[in-house]
Amino acid sequence: EVQLVESGGGLVQPGGSLRLSCAASGFTFSGYELSWVRQAPGKGLEWVSYISSTGNTIFYADSVKGRFTISRDNAKNSLYLQMNSLRVEDTAVYYCAREGGTTMLAFHYWGQGTLVTVSS
Amino acid sequence: QSVLTQPPSASGTPGQRVTISCSGSSSNIGSNTVNWYQQLPGTAPKLLIYFNNQRPSGVPDRFSGSKSGTSASLAISGLQSEDEAHYYCAAWDDSLTGVFGGGTKLTVL
Repeated sequence: EVQLVESGGGLVQPGGSLRLSCAASGFTFSGYELSWVRQAPGKGLEWVSYISSTGNTIFYADSVKGRFTISRDNAKNSLYLQMNSLRVEDTAVYYCAREGGTTMLAFHYWGQGTLVTVSS
Repeated sequence: QSVLTQPPSASGTPGQRVTISCSGSSSNIGSNTVNWYQQLPGTAPKLLIYFNNQRPSGVPDRFSGSKSGTSASLAISGLQSEDEAHYYCAAWDDSLTGVFGGGTKLTVL
């Protein structure tokens, strides 16, 4: 059974940093592309970042470019999101999502999400 | 303001057929495939349709997707009470970013 489990969320002050993790199991982690998707309270979904199966190709939303860094450790079956210079508007549930290998933005599996709250 | 435009709400009675539209541009829907998600309250999104009109295993054939030009649609036939949820379209954009619609809240009357 495919499982994605996020962790690392919490309360942080504006300008602070946080590192999210996503532990994967139930599939060959190194064979799949992954993304982070977030959802602000009461709002819609927003794609944040993408990383290819090898980690060689990475894309970011304009809203986080230069502040967030996505990475993966295929030996540890883990995906990460380093978030720096956090803003109030970064407050959201952050989901780790796995693509199906057929087309971009087709996330066949999602984690349960981890809440990041940026507030003073 | 989302890059893909969806109606904020839709409704129907049990058994009816409902469609939800998603409008984009030549750089996203016009040149890439469209995916649809269902999100029940308090849960993670679930993939309903990918590659414009493909259903993942386990998704009932009451759900169907289509795409024409820079627009796409999700159709739900034989509407059921458990279909009450938020629905989102999503597509890759040629600017190398992912884009979602703002979401449509479906109410089953």
